[in-house]
Amino acid sequence: ETGVTQSPTHLIKTRGQQVTLRCSSQSGHNTVSWYQQALGQGPQFIFQYYREEENGRGNFPPRFSGLQFPNYSSELNVNALELDDSALYLCASSSASGGSETQYFGPGTRLLVL
Amino acid sequence: GQNIDQPTEMTATEGAIVQINCTYQTSGFNGLFWYQQHAGEAPTFLSYNVLDGLEEKGRFSSFLSRSKGYSYLLLKELQMKDSASYLCAVPPGDSSYKLIFGSGTRLLVRP
Repeated sequence: ETGVTQSPTHLIKTRGQQVTLRCSSQSGHNTVSWYQQALGQGPQFIFQYYREEENGRGNFPPRFSGLQFPNYSSELNVNALELDDSALYLCASSSASGGSETQYFGPGTRLLVL
Repeated sequence: GQNIDQPTEMTATEGAIVQINCTYQTSGFNGLFWYQQHAGEAPTFLSYNVLDGLEEKGRFSSFLSRSKGYSYLLLKELQMKDSASYLCAVPPGDSSYKLIFGSGTRLLVRP
């Protein structure tokens, strides 16, 4: 069974640029959630995709957007990067949308905005 | 609103037992998760409690009291590799697709 994978592992961008982060869900999972984790904090929910549709969104501005593909992999796009976007971005997959489903996390992408 | 509280840091000795507490306030309840996160790595799933009581899984146990909005993670026979952050997370009842995380408890295990 293949776990959740993310790419790239690290990324450095400058303020105002755009970035795309990628996630492949665990086999058998059809739901992908994205989280932002600042240093020393717990992960903050960005949004979730279920069957290629956004299924819920946290308190993040519209410049954070995403996609889910037919194979359930997903992308997180961030436009007009700001210094505060520097964080670890985590992708988690689960077998269905709903609170009782365990979310399994990928290794994350560490983004640094200069 | 939703709120989760955990101690920021704890220190314990190798071989000992440590209890990490978590209190939560959410609208509705869909269970409570514990995750372990080593520095620079992804959170890994430890346990899920939806009913009151203690769930034991090897050296790790997790307890839930829904009436008190309280959970704890119990780690026995501590090992150096248990040094990590421990995250308590709940899916709020009104938007159960997401997890609300506490800030995590950094556990340092000393020889």
